[in-house]
Amino acid sequence: KNQVEQSPQSLIILEGKNCTLQCNYTVSPFSNLRWYKQDTGRGPVSLTIMTFSENTKSNGRYTATLDADTKQSSLHITASQLSDSASYICVVTPNDYKLSFGAGTTVTVRA
Amino acid sequence: ETGVTQSPTHLIKTRGQQVTLRCSSQSGHNTVSWYQQALGQGPQFIFQYYREEENGRGNFPPRFSGLQFPNYSSELNVNALELDDSALYLCASSRRTSGDTDTQYFGPGTRLTVL
Repeated sequence: KNQVEQSPQSLIILEGKNCTLQCNYTVSPFSNLRWYKQDTGRGPVSLTIMTFSENTKSNGRYTATLDADTKQSSLHITASQLSDSASYICVVTPNDYKLSFGAGTTVTVRA
Repeated sequence: ETGVTQSPTHLIKTRGQQVTLRCSSQSGHNTVSWYQQALGQGPQFIFQYYREEENGRGNFPPRFSGLQFPNYSSELNVNALELDDSALYLCASSRRTSGDTDTQYFGPGTRLTVL
């Protein structure tokens, strides 16, 4: 069973709207939690990284939150743009560095 | 661009063959990790190399092996290819200092198709 579960599997939003992606994990203890953006056919690109003691981290229109008590993280995209269409992957780094990846949420932004 | 390059970009092999994939890490990085990403799935950790030694391995059989060179570039070798080995293979480089691992920077990947 995957230790990192993401939801929804995919979503479609209109340009300019906001959306929130969810990540639930069972990895414990962990060093940090990251969100990556992966364009089709490309390697993932880091958006945010949070240690277990951080609650929120922003990168432009992307804001990630972390609740270590409930083992949940979210990625909020504000004022979506067509270029936000991609897969968003939640990654948890346990202390042994064997990263656990979620399957990703595919976001499609339509004009 | 992340400064991490991989070659080749695409590769077609037949079952039973062997393949070598290459990765050049970002300047200043001493750690390389390899991942297998099946279509529609998140990347699965294969192994990590730190200063030329394997430093952690995922749930992959021994026919998946690797090397890291003194310049921190790396190779992934897969023997006795199986159809299920068809995937995007990603490498990621990072700079580990005294403790935690820095952010991983991914290459564009090598798309392997096994027929």
